[in-house]
Amino acid sequence: SQQGEEDPQALSIQEGENATMNCSYKTSINNLQWYRQNSGRGLVHLILIRSNEREKHSGRLRVTLDTSKKSSSLLITASRAADTASYFCATVLYNTDKLIFGTGTRLQVFP
Amino acid sequence: DARVTQTPRHKVTEMGQEVTMRCQPILGHNTVFWYRQTMMQGLELLAYFRNRAPLDDSGMPKDRFSAEMPDATLATLKIQPSEPRDSAVYFCASARRSNEQFFGPGTRLTVL
Repeated sequence: SQQGEEDPQALSIQEGENATMNCSYKTSINNLQWYRQNSGRGLVHLILIRSNEREKHSGRLRVTLDTSKKSSSLLITASRAADTASYFCATVLYNTDKLIFGTGTRLQVFP
Repeated sequence: DARVTQTPRHKVTEMGQEVTMRCQPILGHNTVFWYRQTMMQGLELLAYFRNRAPLDDSGMPKDRFSAEMPDATLATLKIQPSEPRDSAVYFCASARRSNEQFFGPGTRLTVL
């Protein structure tokens, strides 16, 4: 089974609003990564947070990690129509290079 | 601008035919991954290599799938014989160890 489960499965918001996506995973990890996929395209890495980190920022992105709850969240602030995409969390299993992807959240940002 | 390249971008074939997908990882990346994406199963890791050696291919149906890295600039994924259930988008990605992975544009495979 997939390592990560994300919610919501789909999210629709207006431009300017914030979007929050959550990810839960099952086992010990080296790090957790968030990726974005535009329709019909490959995945693009957004941000990586290590298991000993609790929060990380990159531009309009803010990621949190709670290893005690085995969960992470991705916040996109001041969303834009161009943020419309699917967002995946992915965990690198402890002591491996294996990246296991969650089910993804489809984000629609309306202008 | 370093990128992972994949060929072909699209492939339509008939059941029973051999399919070969190719990937050129980013120069200097020592880890190469093959994924399959479908609506039903999402993104699945099929196999991965480090320094050209296969480390894990547990996600791959062994009877018909094979993955190789003939050299550091080429990774291949073969399906023989192909079946309709193999229809999916196949992605290659490369990385330096457990860091961010760089994905190629994918090969969209349709098996009739």
